[in-house]
Amino acid sequence: GESVGLHLPTLSVQEGDNSIINCAYSNSASDYFIWYKQESGKGPQFIIDIRSNMDKRQGQRVTVLLNKTVKHLSLQIAATQPGDSAVYFCAENMAATGNTPLVFGKGTRLSVIA
Amino acid sequence: DTGVSQNPRHKITKRGQNVTFRCDPISEHNRLYWYRQTLGQGPEFLTYFQNEAQLEKSRLLSDRFSAERPKGSFSTLEIQRTEQGDSAMYLCASSWDRGDYTFGSGTRLTVV
Repeated sequence: GESVGLHLPTLSVQEGDNSIINCAYSNSASDYFIWYKQESGKGPQFIIDIRSNMDKRQGQRVTVLLNKTVKHLSLQIAATQPGDSAVYFCAENMAATGNTPLVFGKGTRLSVIA
Repeated sequence: DTGVSQNPRHKITKRGQNVTFRCDPISEHNRLYWYRQTLGQGPEFLTYFQNEAQLEKSRLLSDRFSAERPKGSFSTLEIQRTEQGDSAMYLCASSWDRGDYTFGSGTRLTVV
């Protein structure tokens, strides 16, 4: 069935470098996407979202890019810090119906090397 | 409001026993979701409520699972006759309509 997935299960980056976490989705009906950060022993925490009428959205140190042509989503973290170490999930939703729950991918573990 | 609260944080139970988890959402939120998460995986949807109405249930929610939200505020998730395969983190989240979800810290269930 259609699902949200990720290209890389783990990513190690040097402190201060930029991180890029990728996500592929296959449900062309999805039009709302969210990135979550999950630290050990905690629930997922909202980072940033984007709707399908946009291809880029920026937050504080984070940028989400959406490429609808190839059904690809990415999260860019600038100047990665040790506190960014966590598992990152993308999630998708079909906004049109308003009633579908978020579907999560498997996650990418980001490790920041000091 | 201190966010979404889940109790207990940890639960160890013997196979065959019943367990019940509680979720207190953000008070202004009308939607409440239950997800299950196993090690190394993303959260998997179980069920959700809009106010007190249970609007959708996943195929993952077998007959042994039941969820309630009697007054449209807190919710309980009960698992009857627990099995080892039920061991997981059970996450609750709430939202206002289709807004972004706020998750609790989860209840980690271990069935021995």
